[in-house]
Amino acid sequence: GNSVTQMEGPVTLSEEAFLTINCTYTATGYPSLFWYVQYPGEGLQLLLKATKADDKGSNKGFEATYRKETTSFHLEKGSVQVSDSAVYFCALSDQSGYSTLTFGKGTMLLVSP
Amino acid sequence: DGGITQSPKYLFRKEGQNVTLSCEQNLNHDAMYWYRQDPGQGLRLIYYSQIVNDFQKGDIAEGYSVSREKKESFPLTVTSAQKNPTAFYLCAIAQGPYGYTFGSGTRLTVV
Repeated sequence: GNSVTQMEGPVTLSEEAFLTINCTYTATGYPSLFWYVQYPGEGLQLLLKATKADDKGSNKGFEATYRKETTSFHLEKGSVQVSDSAVYFCALSDQSGYSTLTFGKGTMLLVSP
Repeated sequence: DGGITQSPKYLFRKEGQNVTLSCEQNLNHDAMYWYRQDPGQGLRLIYYSQIVNDFQKGDIAEGYSVSREKKESFPLTVTSAQKNPTAFYLCAIAQGPYGYTFGSGTRLTVV
């Protein structure tokens, strides 16, 4: 079956540091890949996505590249801010359309001033 | 919340009681989902529905029930058979290859 593995947190960084959150996946076929962000007490928001190999998703300074050869979709940001503190979820969908999403367990990011 | 509304935001359940969580959407999407979130567990799929009057069990459906009588509404009932219902419940709609849009969640606590 499908699965997503994320690095365990919390990840603790100082403001303006470089961020990487690792994500690898197992899936049949050609999944779409997503990063979601969850702020305390809220639902999840889509951060970025990639639907085919070598695609790069980007949003709000965050980037992730769909690497089929390494089955990875690592999240990066060059300079984090305190407001980036949240839980980040990697997810995959094994078909376009209405299939279910499989989520990783989430990685908490804490950024200090 | 992008047109998807969950209520209430907080809910308290007594032992042996059934409670129903509401999820409403005005985005005219067919597919709707219920997930449960526990600390350190990520999101686990409870039920989903791809069309009115039809729904499928997810990975942890035991102790839960749903209905889909209208396209706009997908309520989740947490029954007394669910022995550990304290969790954060998230409803979502699918937007094709663009992923999901989530509601703001309902936090259920057993008292």
